[in-house]
Amino acid sequence: GDSVTQMEGPVTLSEEAFLTINCTYTATGYPSLFWYVQYPGEGLQLLLKATKADDKGSNKGFEATYRKETTSFHLEKGSVQVSDSAVYFCALSAKAGTALIFGKGTTLSVSS
Amino acid sequence: ETGVTQTPRHLVMGMTNKKSLKCEQHLGHNAMYWYKQSAKKPLELMFVYNFKEQTENNSVPSRFSPECPNSSHLFLHLHTLQPEDSALYLCASSEASSSPLHFGNGTRLTVT
Repeated sequence: GDSVTQMEGPVTLSEEAFLTINCTYTATGYPSLFWYVQYPGEGLQLLLKATKADDKGSNKGFEATYRKETTSFHLEKGSVQVSDSAVYFCALSAKAGTALIFGKGTTLSVSS
Repeated sequence: ETGVTQTPRHLVMGMTNKKSLKCEQHLGHNAMYWYKQSAKKPLELMFVYNFKEQTENNSVPSRFSPECPNSSHLFLHLHTLQPEDSALYLCASSEASSSPLHFGNGTRLTVT
């Protein structure tokens, strides 16, 4: 079945470091791909999305490119801040009418 | 303010109690969801409602009973729960069932 695999965390970085969180997926057809972020004590928020191959989603300095050839949607940020500390979830929508499928989440901890 | 409001934020209940979780969305969305978030496990989809009709039930035990009286409100009725049901219960809504989700901040449930 359809699934999402994220790198295990936690990821621990110093402020201004480069961030990559890997995400790969398995799906039939052409899914839409999403990254969600969950700050402590809150629900998940949509961070960015891409709906077709080679699309790049971006928001708040984060980027992810939909790579069909490698079935990946890795999240990157050039310079992380302490305020980026959160749990990041990769997700896919396989086809119209079905709910999103989420990865297990990756915890990011940024220190000053 | 996420547009999706969940109450209560925290709930402690005994195994013989009956309680209900409430979710309300003011976004004009047509689909609503219950998710369970437990430590070190993927986000688990429990129920999906589209236009007030239940369209998915992911093998959830009958001690969890959803109710969707209209497209703005969603309840999760709880009875005779087990300690392993302790988790963060997240409500979400979306325009359609494969659209991006808008989450509430969740109800932290502890079963004693």
